[in-house]
Amino acid sequence: GQNIDQPTEMTATEGAIVQINCTYQTSGFNGLFWYQQHAGEAPTFLSYNVLDGLEEKGRFSSFLSRSKGYSYLLLKELQMKDSASYLCAVMDSNYQLIWGAGTKLIIKP
Amino acid sequence: DAMVIQNPRYQVTQFGKPVTLSCSQTLNHNVMYWYQQKSSQAPKLLFHYYDKDFNNEADTPDNFQSRRPNTSFCFLDIRSPGLGDAAMYLCATSRDAGTGVGDTQYFGPGTRLTVL
Repeated sequence: GQNIDQPTEMTATEGAIVQINCTYQTSGFNGLFWYQQHAGEAPTFLSYNVLDGLEEKGRFSSFLSRSKGYSYLLLKELQMKDSASYLCAVMDSNYQLIWGAGTKLIIKP
Repeated sequence: DAMVIQNPRYQVTQFGKPVTLSCSQTLNHNVMYWYQQKSSQAPKLLFHYYDKDFNNEADTPDNFQSRRPNTSFCFLDIRSPGLGDAAMYLCATSRDAGTGVGDTQYFGPGTRLTVL
């Protein structure tokens, strides 16, 4: 079967750095997405990786290793507004999007 | 601003009473999706349209139907809502399907459905 694994919950301190990991086992790979979802709201697109390496976008960076079936989302200079769930989603060989259950990130002052 | 709009944001219905949720988009995207999301769970794809071609997920109950009368609008009909259908319903669009980055999905704000 196809599977996406993310930690259920993480806690970090305002101003710090946090890394949210995602591992996947899917039938084929056509890219990996990260979305942010605040409580009670819709997911918003953060990043897309299809090649190995690090993609940086301001305070957020996303890394991919296809050989390891692994990605992480790195958030720097954490702000209280970064408290949200972060969802990892992988596009399989049929371009079907397989979603993880998300990592709830709690930011403390 | 180009966007995905869902109405209503909150919907309360009674057990067994049909309900329709609506979604519209100004992005002119080819693909529209309907997801069901329950608390702390991954979004579950119900169906999607590529233009007018309807694609139903194998495990989507017959109780759920969809219509896409034109590029901009898509509707989700729940014929006989049960208590287990209470959830957030998310509409999303993507420019394309089967291209990778062109499949990036953009979501509306969602409709939270309560079934009494």
